Amino acid sequence: DTVLTQSPALAVSPGERVSISCRASEGVNSYMHWYQQKPGQQPKLLIYKASNLASGVPARFSGSGSGTDFTLTIDPVEADDTATYFCQQSWNDPPTFGSGTKLEIK
Amino acid sequence: EVKLQQSGDELVRPGASVKMSCKASGYTFTDYAMHWVKQSPGQGLEWIGTIIPLIDTTSYNQKFKGKATLTADKSSNTAYMELSRLTSEDSAVYYCAPERYYGAFDYWGQGVMVTVSS
Repeated sequence: DTVLTQSPALAVSPGERVSISCRASEGVNSYMHWYQQKPGQQPKLLIYKASNLASGVPARFSGSGSGTDFTLTIDPVEADDTATYFCQQSWNDPPTFGSGTKLEIK
Repeated sequence: EVKLQQSGDELVRPGASVKMSCKASGYTFTDYAMHWVKQSPGQGLEWIGTIIPLIDTTSYNQKFKGKATLTADKSSNTAYMELSRLTSEDSAVYYCAPERYYGAFDYWGQGVMVTVSS
């Protein structure tokens, strides 16, 4: 299975720019997606196919990358962005998820 | 508006089975495959499998073959997942999500928490 590696946690201040990385153990083309999950809620799609903003998601969120290295960027960060962010690939079978990056807003 | 209404939380005994539902509305149920995802504290998010309601075709993560069985009822726009021979490892939250964009999931059910305990 394709392993997606994310750093466990990040802490930033409001108004700053933050980049969350996801590295795949094998190429996934551009079929990488990003989700935000807050405690007690289901995941929410932010970015699909590496760089496409999902419907209703603020333009503060953006995605980039292809192949094995991908980045979710939030600029500027707001207090409400406190959450865990997951990447997910759908190029290789089975689809897999990263273990998540917990974002703390200082 | 797309909505996915999942059945209620379950407390089940080890060795038992549980069947949960996911009722879809706001889109044509047979247009998209329905996926199921497990979320547990120790294992994060795991893809269980998918069913194409139009043709009742299923595909499973090898890890969940024999554990999960996916079905769908086109007449009621409802997808089902049955988990068998439950152990403590199956205690988790289970989500349904239709695939509408390149394998990404833009809508999710609210989740079913399954607790396996005697």
